[in-house]
Amino acid sequence: GENVEQHPSTLSVQEGDSAVIKCTYSDSASNYFPWYKQELGKGPQLIIDIRSNVGEKKDQRIAVTLNKTAKHFSLHITETQPEDSAVYFCAASWKSGNTGKLIFGQGTTLQVKP
Amino acid sequence: DGGITQSPKYLFRKEGQNVTLSCEQNLNHDAMYWYRQDPGQGLRLIYYSQIVNDFQKGDIAEGYSVSREKKESFPLTVTSAQKNPTAFYLCASSSRWEGNEQFFGPGTRLTVL
Repeated sequence: GENVEQHPSTLSVQEGDSAVIKCTYSDSASNYFPWYKQELGKGPQLIIDIRSNVGEKKDQRIAVTLNKTAKHFSLHITETQPEDSAVYFCAASWKSGNTGKLIFGQGTTLQVKP
Repeated sequence: DGGITQSPKYLFRKEGQNVTLSCEQNLNHDAMYWYRQDPGQGLRLIYYSQIVNDFQKGDIAEGYSVSREKKESFPLTVTSAQKNPTAFYLCASSSRWEGNEQFFGPGTRLTVL
């Protein structure tokens, strides 16, 4: 069945360093890949997304890359700050006939040490 | 202010009781979703609805029920048949079900006493 694997489950970096989170997906028909940030006790918020016709997308300190052949995509955060500390989720779209949904990875807890 | 709201923020339930979680959106979105989140785990889909008066089971629908009588509302009932209901419940909506951003509500934390 459809599946999204996310690694690592926890990541600790020093303030100013870069952080990379990787995801792989199983459905080659997936064409939409969002990344969400969830702070403690709150709902997830979209931070960046990418579609299958694009290989890379950047928004200030955040970038996402997509390798359709290998079926994996990654989130890159540069110049990390303490406020980047949160749980990050990747997701991939899944479609069957006239129905569809997002499949989420298991999440990565990012800790940025000041 | 456009957005998606969930109520209540915290909910306590005795074993054997049904409880209904509210989800309302004023974004004019067609699609709405309910997810369950357990500590250290990802989001698991309970039910979703792509249009009014229609909904589909997600990956963990057993012990839950929903209705979609209005475009802006998608309440979730946690029934007594749900064996382990204590969790954080998230509602989301999107303009269309296919390939569009899902906006999440703030969540409801349900605890069974």
